[in-house]
Amino acid sequence: NAGVTQTPKFRVLKTGQSMTLLCAQDMNHEYMYWYRQDPGMGLRLIHYSVGEGTTAKGEVPDGYNVSRLKKQNFLLGLESAAPSQTSVYFCASSRLGNEQFFGPGTRLTVL
Amino acid sequence: DQQVKQNSPSLSVQEGRISILNCDYTNSMFDYFLWYKKYPAEGPTFLISISSIKDKNEDGRFTVFLNKSAKHLSLHIVPSQPGDSAVYFCAASESNTGGFKTIFGAGTRLFVKA
Repeated sequence: NAGVTQTPKFRVLKTGQSMTLLCAQDMNHEYMYWYRQDPGMGLRLIHYSVGEGTTAKGEVPDGYNVSRLKKQNFLLGLESAAPSQTSVYFCASSRLGNEQFFGPGTRLTVL
Repeated sequence: DQQVKQNSPSLSVQEGRISILNCDYTNSMFDYFLWYKKYPAEGPTFLISISSIKDKNEDGRFTVFLNKSAKHLSLHIVPSQPGDSAVYFCAASESNTGGFKTIFGAGTRLFVKA
């Protein structure tokens, strides 16, 4: 099992550009999450999904959109990237319980 | 307002000694607590958890203690090993909510010196 995978691992964008981060899990988990990690801030929840076709806002959703068309995939989109979105992005998944399984992260720099 | 606080950004410990990482929370609705470990360039991995009905949970070298009245938990690592050097995140949640109400602390970087 690959667990949780994220694509790409690194990306550099210019302000105003758009991109999509892909997360895939092969554990048949219902719940999926997108977090961002910034220095001194811990992990902050951007959006989450409790099942295929559903999404909801987390703590810091502005500037991001998500989609969960298939149970195993959770996409995070940036429509118009801003320097404040420079961060490390982590995807995670879980069963109904609380322990989450994280992907390796995507390091995004917005110039 | 940080609901989960890890007040020590870093901690340095000699190999073989005890490492104690601390975490405080403010939300009394939290009833499930987790510790995650993160190595550089990797995602966090689940380490150990504790429910509010317990005050201690042990797994090998790792023990988590919960003091509900003080809204405080701690992770003890005994004996510490160089491979334990990582960032440790404390997290708090309301049980059976699927994790989307999990709040993470800012993390404590542990250095274990050989």
